[in-house]
Amino acid sequence: GNSVTQMEGPVTLSEEAFLTINCTYTATGYPSLFWYVQYPGEGLQLLLKATKADDKGSNKGFEATYRKETTSFHLEKGSVQVSDSAVYFCALMARQGGKLIFGQGTELSVKP
Amino acid sequence: DAGVIQSPRHEVTEMGQEVTLRCKPISGHDYLFWYRQTMMRGLELLIYFNNNVPIDDSGMPEDRFSAKMPNASFSTLKIQPSEPRDSAVYFCASSLGQGVWSPLHFGNGTRLTVT
Repeated sequence: GNSVTQMEGPVTLSEEAFLTINCTYTATGYPSLFWYVQYPGEGLQLLLKATKADDKGSNKGFEATYRKETTSFHLEKGSVQVSDSAVYFCALMARQGGKLIFGQGTELSVKP
Repeated sequence: DAGVIQSPRHEVTEMGQEVTLRCKPISGHDYLFWYRQTMMRGLELLIYFNNNVPIDDSGMPEDRFSAKMPNASFSTLKIQPSEPRDSAVYFCASSLGQGVWSPLHFGNGTRLTVT
């Protein structure tokens, strides 16, 4: 079946450090891929998405590239801020069915 | 835009009691989803509705769980009787349409503690 695997957290970084959160997926066909972010005490919000191979999604300085050959969608940011502290979820949506399948989430903590 | 509104924000109850969680989706959205979030199992889809009709309830864990959507602006998730293992954060989400171009809008969740 379809599934998403994320690197385990928590990830702790200093402000202005480079961020990578790994995400790999298993799916039949060609899914769409998403990153959602959950700030403390809030629900999830869509951060970025990519709908086909080699697409790059980007938003708020974050970006992720849909890599079909490695079935990956790693999240990156060049310089993190304290305000980026949150839990990040990778997710996929198969072409059929349309349900979002989430990874376990990766907690990011950015220290000043 | 008021967003998805869930109530209560926190619920503490004793084992065996009935619990009702409430959700008001964004006006005009035709899909509504109930998710459960725990440390052990992450984010699980319990059930979703389209135009107030349940489409897929395969994620509902047991018969103790039931969900209704009597109209386009209100949904409930009920647990009867509740058990300690039901303790989790329950999220409601809504979307306009379903698919890659229809992002989910989540509420702030209800944190349920069953003692």
